[in-house]
Amino acid sequence: EPEVTQTPSHQVTQMGQEVILRCVPISNHLYFYWYRQILGQKVEFLVSFYNNEISEKSEIFDDQFSVERPDGSNFTLKIRSTKLEDSAMYFCASSEYSSEQFFGPGTRLTVL
Amino acid sequence: AQSVAQPEDQVNVAEGNPLTVKCTYSVSGNPYLFWYVQYPNRGLQFLLKYITGDNLVKGSYGFEAEFNKSQTSFHLKKPSALVSDSALYFCAVRDKNSGNTPLVFGKGTRLSVIA
Repeated sequence: EPEVTQTPSHQVTQMGQEVILRCVPISNHLYFYWYRQILGQKVEFLVSFYNNEISEKSEIFDDQFSVERPDGSNFTLKIRSTKLEDSAMYFCASSEYSSEQFFGPGTRLTVL
Repeated sequence: AQSVAQPEDQVNVAEGNPLTVKCTYSVSGNPYLFWYVQYPNRGLQFLLKYITGDNLVKGSYGFEAEFNKSQTSFHLKKPSALVSDSALYFCAVRDKNSGNTPLVFGKGTRLSVIA
């Protein structure tokens, strides 16, 4: 069964450093998303991406964040200058047009 | 704005007994409702969805959910709980059935099934 994959599973970084989180969505899906879950809190939407551009973004997704689909398979989330409060589990998801979203296993980001 | 409430942080149930995990929602338009389950150190797994049609929706692993428009609820149910059902359950809603509309999640309910 096809699934969303994410790398790395755990990323530790120093405050102020740039990180890139990588995702490979399900191959025939058209919509891609990033969500995050701070420990013990609810899952929050960051951004959705369709047809090589951002469709929607939340207020969390400020200028420090960017997304890219550099090739036909990868979908990346970049945080330019990480802050302590960026520590969270980051989930990538993908979907066909109006179907349910399928989530990857997540990347745990720890900012020291 | 859309919102989801899961009033219980924790639900405990004995193995073999029926379980219910509660969810209420608020949307301005028609609701599109989802349940996801999260096992430890894993991502979110889709369980079931309500888009339109029959108010009783059946999903994976024997779970079902009942959409109640008048009570704005979408409770998750299972007739006979298994220890392996122990996990974190999230209800989610969106107000459009379109691909780029984000999901809004509840805070989650931890289900513990005791043998």
